[in-house]
Amino acid sequence: EIVLTQSPATLSVSAGERATLSCRASQSISSDLAWYQQKPGQAPRLLIYGASYRATGVPARFSGSGSGTEFTLTISSLQSEDFALYYCQQYHQWPPFTFGPGTKVEIK
Amino acid sequence: QLELRESGPRLVKPSETLSLSCTVSGGSINSGSYYWAWIRQPPGKGLEWVGSIYYDGTTYYNPSLKSRVTISLDTSNNQFFLTLGSVTAADTALYYCAMDADRWFDPWGQGMLVTVSS
Repeated sequence: EIVLTQSPATLSVSAGERATLSCRASQSISSDLAWYQQKPGQAPRLLIYGASYRATGVPARFSGSGSGTEFTLTISSLQSEDFALYYCQQYHQWPPFTFGPGTKVEIK
Repeated sequence: QLELRESGPRLVKPSETLSLSCTVSGGSINSGSYYWAWIRQPPGKGLEWVGSIYYDGTTYYNPSLKSRVTISLDTSNNQFFLTLGSVTAADTALYYCAMDADRWFDPWGQGMLVTVSS
């Protein structure tokens, strides 16, 4: 089973600043990585697939990069609605699909 | 626009079977080469993929749950189902259904909290 680790666990950022979230895989997963955003009381929402492709309707301030074992989700200028939990998910080797433990982006 | 909605009992007794339905609207469950998935999230914790079913009925399960899980579908009613047997308190979670578009999940249902308690 491929294990994903995310860092930091919590990221404190001011509105308008850049946020950089990391996801690391226990073995190479090529570009088979997705990112999700989850707000309190809501289901996760797909942001990025294929490590760098934005899902439909996702603002351009969200970008994904990386391949192999190291991946990054960048939010270029944080808006108030971006404070949430972010999860990465690998689909390179399944079953099972696995998720990272999440990064909470909170207001500084 | 595709929408998914979970339904079923919100309280299940220990050792009994959890049964949930997911109703899909805005599209046909057997159109296109899509999988349909169940994912769960214990309160305050992360996400765990439970299993997926292909439109032709082929299933894939999380090995950690495989002995207790069955996923099935009813194409005539545009629904798919989750049964999880011999539940314990550790199975208390928000259960989401989702479309497995190409091994990522989008869209998701709103989720349903199922509590295992006597």
